[in-house]
Amino acid sequence: EIVLRQSPGTLSLSPGERATLSCRASQSVSNRYLAWYQQKPGQAPRLLIYGASSRATGIPDRFSGSGSGTDFTLTISRLEPEDFAVYYCQQYGSSPTTFGQGTKVEIK
Amino acid sequence: EVQLLESGGGLVQPGGSLRLSCAASGFTFSSYAMRWVRQAPGKGLEWVSGISGSGGNTYYADSVKGRFTISRDNSKNTLYLQMNSLRAEDTAVYYCAKDQFSEWMEYAMDVWGQGTTVTVSS
Repeated sequence: EIVLRQSPGTLSLSPGERATLSCRASQSVSNRYLAWYQQKPGQAPRLLIYGASSRATGIPDRFSGSGSGTDFTLTISRLEPEDFAVYYCQQYGSSPTTFGQGTKVEIK
Repeated sequence: EVQLLESGGGLVQPGGSLRLSCAASGFTFSSYAMRWVRQAPGKGLEWVSGISGSGGNTYYADSVKGRFTISRDNSKNTLYLQMNSLRAEDTAVYYCAKDQFSEWMEYAMDVWGQGTTVTVSS
């Protein structure tokens, strides 16, 4: 199965700053089938990005995804107070689908 | 509004059984694959099981294969997870989630329920 490694584990930033989150796969992710989810405490995950770079319905354009093969990035251009959360990547190009361990974006 | 609502979680002893349900509304249930994803306390997300739109194809993580059974009743718009021979390591919040585009498990998960908590402990 494909192992996803996210870095950094924790990102300490201030509102208005740019956040860059990395997701590296142990094998190439087919068809760029890589998604990003946001999860806040006590809530279910929310789909942000699918197909590596397409924003899900209702997701603000400050969220963007990029990458292919084994290296993917989620960028939040200017952090809003509601963006402080844990972010997970998921690959669904190979079975079984797998998730990264998560990156926590916390207020500095 | 598209919604998923899980139920059936609770406290169960090791070796026991539990059946989770996920009631869907706001979309054509049979047109989409569905999955169960769990999250142990303080941990990340783990895919558990998936089922095609018709219910004819089912898939399991190795960690639950032979112990869990996924099923769906498209006439009732409901997804199920029968969990047998439960272990302490099955303790988690269990989420049901909808495939984004397809009746096959091909895409990301665009709608998630609020989760139901399963605790396996004596």
